[in-house]
Amino acid sequence: KQEVTQIPAALSVPEGENLVLNCSFTDSAIYNLQWFRQDPGKGLTSLLLIQSSQREQTSGRLNASLDKSSGRSTLYIAASQPGDSATYLCAVIWNTDKLIFGTGTRLQVFP
Amino acid sequence: DAGVIQSPRHEVTEMGQEVTLRCKPISGHNSLFWYRQTMMRGLELLIYFNNNVPIDDSGMPEDRFSAKMPNASFSTLKIQPSEPRDSAVYFCASRTGGLAGELFFGEGSRLTVL
Repeated sequence: KQEVTQIPAALSVPEGENLVLNCSFTDSAIYNLQWFRQDPGKGLTSLLLIQSSQREQTSGRLNASLDKSSGRSTLYIAASQPGDSATYLCAVIWNTDKLIFGTGTRLQVFP
Repeated sequence: DAGVIQSPRHEVTEMGQEVTLRCKPISGHNSLFWYRQTMMRGLELLIYFNNNVPIDDSGMPEDRFSAKMPNASFSTLKIQPSEPRDSAVYFCASRTGGLAGELFFGEGSRLTVL
């Protein structure tokens, strides 16, 4: 069964820390992987999309890496800020149109 | 572009009533997805369309749920009759570019069935 897992489920850090969110998937034959951010009561905002042929993508303070052979992706957030507080979800597409989501990591960055 | 537009944003109804949720995808996107999000089950894919044609509705929980996409700019998700366990946030998302494309979500419709 194709599944996506995110660890940790919740994370609380002081402002300024660099942090890593983890995403693992059961089948390495992915098509692409997408990281989202969700603020309370809001929809999902796309952060980064990594194609299966890519190793990483960067946007500002965010860097996402992909290691298909180990079934893992990490989202690196540099110099975290209180405004980064949100739930972060990763989602994987295999060989169908279905995007399968992890359960998310709830991040709190305190001043 | 205005993004994916959903309505209503909030709906409170009584058990047994019909509920219709609406979605306007981003112009030019040829795939549309309906998701449901709850605390217990997270995000679940209900159904998706390619070029207005339903491709996979295996996630639709029961026959009480139905979805249509009469044209490229409009889709509905209907629940009839609604039940309290249908209470959730329902998201619509759209994409272009096939499997390689980036998925964009609407703000969601929060449904409460009393």
